[in-house]
Amino acid sequence: EDQVTQSPEALRLQEGESSSLNCSYTVSGLRGLFWYRQDPGKGPEFLFTLYSAGEEKEKERLKATLTKKESFLHITAPKPEDSATYLCAVGAGTYKYIFGTGTRLKVLA
Amino acid sequence: DAGVIQSPRHEVTEMGQEVTLRCKPISGHNSLFWYRQTMMRGLELLIYFNNNVPIDDSGMPEDRFSAKMPNASFSTLKIQPSEPRDSAVYFCASSPVGGATDTQYFGPGTRLTVL
Repeated sequence: EDQVTQSPEALRLQEGESSSLNCSYTVSGLRGLFWYRQDPGKGPEFLFTLYSAGEEKEKERLKATLTKKESFLHITAPKPEDSATYLCAVGAGTYKYIFGTGTRLKVLA
Repeated sequence: DAGVIQSPRHEVTEMGQEVTLRCKPISGHNSLFWYRQTMMRGLELLIYFNNNVPIDDSGMPEDRFSAKMPNASFSTLKIQPSEPRDSAVYFCASSPVGGATDTQYFGPGTRLTVL
């Protein structure tokens, strides 16, 4: 069965304290791996798409990497404004996304 | 671009009432998705339209839920009759093509509370 698991469920960091969020997946035929950021009361906002193992993408303090079994979202020197829930989704089959339940990140000033 | 537009943003209704949620996808996008988000189950796909045609409605919980897409710029999700367990945030998303490799862009959501 296709499955996406994110860890940890919640993470508290001090400002400037770098860390990584994990998204592990089991899917028959990965079509793409997507990272989204969701702020309270808002819809998921697209961050990155990764298509093949070894691929990396960066945006400001965020860097996403992909292996054959998992993806990491690395946050370097985070700021309080990086606080949000980060969602991982896997494209599977013809059109479906399978979402993880997210990691709630809180960055303290 | 205005992005995906949803209305209303908040809806409070009483059990048994009909609820209609509305969505305007990004212009030029061929695919539209309706999702439901709860704390317990996260984001769940309810229905997927491609070129205004419903392709997969296997996620629709039961016959009380229905969705339509009469044209490329408008879709509705209707719940009749509504029940307290339908309380959730409902998101609409659109994508240029709709494949599993394609990025989906989400609207701001409608927070539904059924009393």
